[in-house]
Amino acid sequence: EIVMTQSPATLSVSPGERATLSCRASQSVSSSLAWYQQKPGQAPRLLMYGASTRATGIPARFSGSGSGTEFTLTISSLQSEDFAVYYCQQYNNWPWTFGQGTKVEI
Amino acid sequence: EVQLVESGGGLVQPGGSLRLSCVVSGFTFNNYWMSWVRQAPGKGPEWVANIKQDGSEKFYVDSVKGRFTISRDFAKNSLYVQMNSLRDEYTAVYSCAREGVVPGDYWGQGTLVTVSS
Repeated sequence: EIVMTQSPATLSVSPGERATLSCRASQSVSSSLAWYQQKPGQAPRLLMYGASTRATGIPARFSGSGSGTEFTLTISSLQSEDFAVYYCQQYNNWPWTFGQGTKVEI
Repeated sequence: EVQLVESGGGLVQPGGSLRLSCVVSGFTFNNYWMSWVRQAPGKGPEWVANIKQDGSEKFYVDSVKGRFTISRDFAKNSLYVQMNSLRDEYTAVYSCAREGVVPGDYWGQGTLVTVSS
């Protein structure tokens, strides 16, 4: 099973600031990497897939990069609605696995 | 509009059984792999099982092999998971998810399964 490790566990930022979230895979997942946003009481919402492709309706302030084992999600200018938990997920090898999450807080 | 609606959760004793259902709408059910994903309280999601479009292939995470069975009914646009020999650590919100451009492009809101005596 591929282990996904996210850092930091918690990221404290102010509205309008830039946020950079990291995700590392225990072995190469090529570009089969997705990012999700989850708010309390809600299902995860797909943000990015293929490491760098925004899902439908996702604002351009979200961007993703990386391949192989190292990935980054960047939120260029945090809006109030962006404060949430973010998960990376690999879908290169079954079972698909998630990182433990990064909480972005004010 | 794509919709996935789960049902069937509840309180069950360790060793008990439960069958969850997921009814989908807004897309052609027959065209997609489908999955069950769970999320324990305060934890990240965990992929549990998935099933091919025609039901001919099924995959399970090791921790549920031999205990869970995933299935689908095309006539009812429904996905199921039969969960047997339930353990305390299986307490979680169970969601169904569509595997489209990526596994998990759409999720349901989930149904809570609590395993406790």
